[in-house]
Amino acid sequence: KQEVTQIPAALSVPEGENLVLNCSFTDSAIYNLQWFRQDPGKGLTSLLLIQSSQREQTSGRLNASLDKSSGRSTLYIAASQPGDSATYLCAVRSGTNAGKSTFGDGTTLTVKP
Amino acid sequence: DAGVTQSPTHLIKTRGQQVTLRCSPKSGHDTVSWYQQALGQGPQFIFQYYEEEERQRGNFPDRFSGHQFPNYSSELNVNALLLGDSALYLCASSFGNRGTTGYTFGSGTRLTVV
Repeated sequence: KQEVTQIPAALSVPEGENLVLNCSFTDSAIYNLQWFRQDPGKGLTSLLLIQSSQREQTSGRLNASLDKSSGRSTLYIAASQPGDSATYLCAVRSGTNAGKSTFGDGTTLTVKP
Repeated sequence: DAGVTQSPTHLIKTRGQQVTLRCSPKSGHDTVSWYQQALGQGPQFIFQYYEEEERQRGNFPDRFSGHQFPNYSSELNVNALLLGDSALYLCASSFGNRGTTGYTFGSGTRLTVV
């Protein structure tokens, strides 16, 4: 059974700081890993998708890495802004038939002006 | 390009009632997955529909059922509602069911059971 853990549960940083969010998973036989952003009471917005064969993906100020052997992924946010304040979730697609993704409980990020 | 559309956005039901939630996938997507998200937690997988069949199911009771139509849209039905069914229900669409594409999520339906 895949288990996904995100640490820390909450993070508060001053504007402009670079930061790293962590995601760990127990079963390395994954299809892909996806990072999402969720604003309060809203749906999930996809940030980055890393396929099993890839090591990292980049989009703007965001960079996500994947290390299957250690069961870890990191989301790096450069030059954080108050608009980055949200909950960040990672989802790991694995299991028979790749039918589902297992989510962590997220890291709630607050960027202070 | 329309994303994933869910309706209704909010719903209040009484214990014991039945509810139907609807989802239209992103254009070009043929697979629909449903998730339940309780406050402060990550989404939990309910089931996935592909080619109008339930392909995989999470740890949810039979009170939760679904359907996929020929146009790929989907419904989630919950019978005999319990207070604990109050949550944000999220629909995610993707292409194929083999894990090669990522999810696109809708904005969700907030269900409150009183």
